[in-house]
Amino acid sequence: EPEVTQTPSHQVTQMGQEVILRCVPISNHLYFYWYRQILGQKVEFLVSFYNNEISEKSEIFDDQFSVERPDGSNFTLKIRSTKLEDSAMYFCASSGRGANTGELFFGEGSRLTVL
Amino acid sequence: AQSVSQHNHHVILSEAASLELGCNYSYGGTVNLFWYVQYPGQHLQLLLKYFSGDPLVKGIKGFEAEFIKSKFSFNLRKPSVQWSDTAEYFCAVNAYNNNDMRFGAGTRLTVKP
Repeated sequence: EPEVTQTPSHQVTQMGQEVILRCVPISNHLYFYWYRQILGQKVEFLVSFYNNEISEKSEIFDDQFSVERPDGSNFTLKIRSTKLEDSAMYFCASSGRGANTGELFFGEGSRLTVL
Repeated sequence: AQSVSQHNHHVILSEAASLELGCNYSYGGTVNLFWYVQYPGQHLQLLLKYFSGDPLVKGIKGFEAEFIKSKFSFNLRKPSVQWSDTAEYFCAVNAYNNNDMRFGAGTRLTVKP
């Protein structure tokens, strides 16, 4: 069964460092998403991406965040200068159609720990 | 923007007990509704979804949910839980024609054997 894969599974970084989280969505999907879940809190929407551009973003997704689809398979989330409060589990998701009609398939998450 | 609230933070049940997890959403327009489950150490998986039609939706593993439009609710039910149902359950909603899916805070279900 096709699945969304994420790397790394866990990254520890120093505050102020740049982090790139990588995702390989399901191959024929067109819509891509990043969500995050701070420990003990709810899953929060960060951004959705379609046709090589951001289609929606939340208030959390400020200038320190960026997303990119550098090639036909990867979808990356970059955090430019990490802060302690960026420590969370980051989930990538993809769907074959827009989220308003299709199911999101989630990766297993990348745990980011900022020290 | 749409929002979702889940009433129960942590529910503890014995095996064979019946389950109902509350979910209410806030949005005035047409919505799509979802329940996702996250088993310990695993990723989010879809349990069931509602787009239109019969408001009583059946999902995997014996779960069902009922959309009550007048109450803006989409409660999850299961008549008899099993130990293997121990997980975190998330209700989610996205507005029609919107790629921004919003999740509730989640309800942790612990089923005692």
